[in-house]
Amino acid sequence: DIVMTQSPHSLSVSLGERATINCKSSQSVLYSSNNQNYLAWYQQKPGQPPKLLIYWASTRESGVPDRFSGSGSETDFTLTISSLQAEDVAVYYCQQFYSTPYSFGQGTKLEIK
Amino acid sequence: EVQLVESGGGLVQPGRSLRLSCTGSGFTSGDYAMTWVRQAPGKGLEWVGLIKSKAYGETTQYAASVKGRFTISRDDSKNIAYLQMNSLKTEDTAVYYCTRGRSWGYFDYWGQGTLVTVSS
Repeated sequence: DIVMTQSPHSLSVSLGERATINCKSSQSVLYSSNNQNYLAWYQQKPGQPPKLLIYWASTRESGVPDRFSGSGSETDFTLTISSLQAEDVAVYYCQQFYSTPYSFGQGTKLEIK
Repeated sequence: EVQLVESGGGLVQPGRSLRLSCTGSGFTSGDYAMTWVRQAPGKGLEWVGLIKSKAYGETTQYAASVKGRFTISRDDSKNIAYLQMNSLKTEDTAVYYCTRGRSWGYFDYWGQGTLVTVSS
């Protein structure tokens, strides 16, 4: 089974500053036949279900602001929020869908400094 | 507009059974894999299992923690997916989300969730 590990567990960033969340998988999630990384990012606000932000490691879901970006390959991935807004306060999860059982990171709580 | 609505949650004693339903609208559910994800109170997300579309044989896969106890099924004529939960344990207490799977494995739409509490 693939284990997903996020860092940091929590993060405080000032409004307008950059926020960076890391995600590491215990094995590569890069599928060589299509050169795609089977990695997604979600945002969960209190009392709400998660919302898809990024898939294929770097493809932004329709309607997601372009301040959100994903990068990385194989086992190391990053979600970056280029200029933090108040509405970005949430818990962020990475998820691998390379192989079942699909798995999530433990989450990173993002707060305003 | 795509919507997923879960129902069937509630309080149940350990060892008993419960069936959750997920009703989809705004899309043809038969074209998609449907997945259940749960979240214990104050905890992270845990993938429970999925059922692929009819085109892929309605194959099911489960997390080890629920395999043999939980069963996912679907009725595409009603746009409903089900999660049958048997031999429930206290550690199954969670909000259960129904999700639509794109490329099987990432989830573009989520229901609001239904709370299952397993307690005596």
